[in-house]
Amino acid sequence: TQLLEQSPQFLSIQEGENLTVYCNSSSVFSSLQWYRQEPGEGPVLLVTVVTGGEVKKLKRLTFQFGDARKDSSLHITAAQTGDTGLYLCAGAAGSARQLTFGSGTQLTVLP
Amino acid sequence: GAGVSQSPSNKVTEKGKDVELRCDPISGHTALYWYRQSLGQGLEFLIYFQGNSAPDKSGLPSDRFSAERTGGSVSTLTIQRTQQEDSAVYLCASSLGVGSRAYEQYFGPGTRLTVT
Repeated sequence: TQLLEQSPQFLSIQEGENLTVYCNSSSVFSSLQWYRQEPGEGPVLLVTVVTGGEVKKLKRLTFQFGDARKDSSLHITAAQTGDTGLYLCAGAAGSARQLTFGSGTQLTVLP
Repeated sequence: GAGVSQSPSNKVTEKGKDVELRCDPISGHTALYWYRQSLGQGLEFLIYFQGNSAPDKSGLPSDRFSAERTGGSVSTLTIQRTQQEDSAVYLCASSLGVGSRAYEQYFGPGTRLTVT
């Protein structure tokens, strides 16, 4: 069974600050996705990373996939109140299509 | 284009009753997934359909849970003899199923099930 551990579980910061969320596993994943979920809605896909060491940038968000494809990080620069939400990492292992989700990081950005 | 839609958005049922939850995937997506999200458990995989292949039912928690996908499109998740521990948000997702973007799943808004 593949497990994904996310940290921190909760994060409350002031607008303009930077933050990093971590997603770690002892298993290798063929791909890893990051999602953001707001109350009453389903998760929304932010990015997919598939290559070890890969770095992707989406405006103020930077995503990195570990060299061994066991871990990932999400870095947000100059956080805004609109970044508030539940951030979920999810991995697909081998040829399996179903995703294993991390427990999530609840981010609150205060004005 | 239209995203994944689910109905109903909310369902309250009495313990022991059967419920059906519906999912309409994105047109052209061959893969469809059901997940369950509850406090303290996070998002759990339930079942996966890919084209005409036999579904992967490895995540279903008990034989009270079943799902069908008719015509390769709409799917129904059925929970028989509901229990209070079945209370959760049931999320449906779809993906292209093949190719470099096969892993990218697009989620519906979910059905919040409350068993009283």
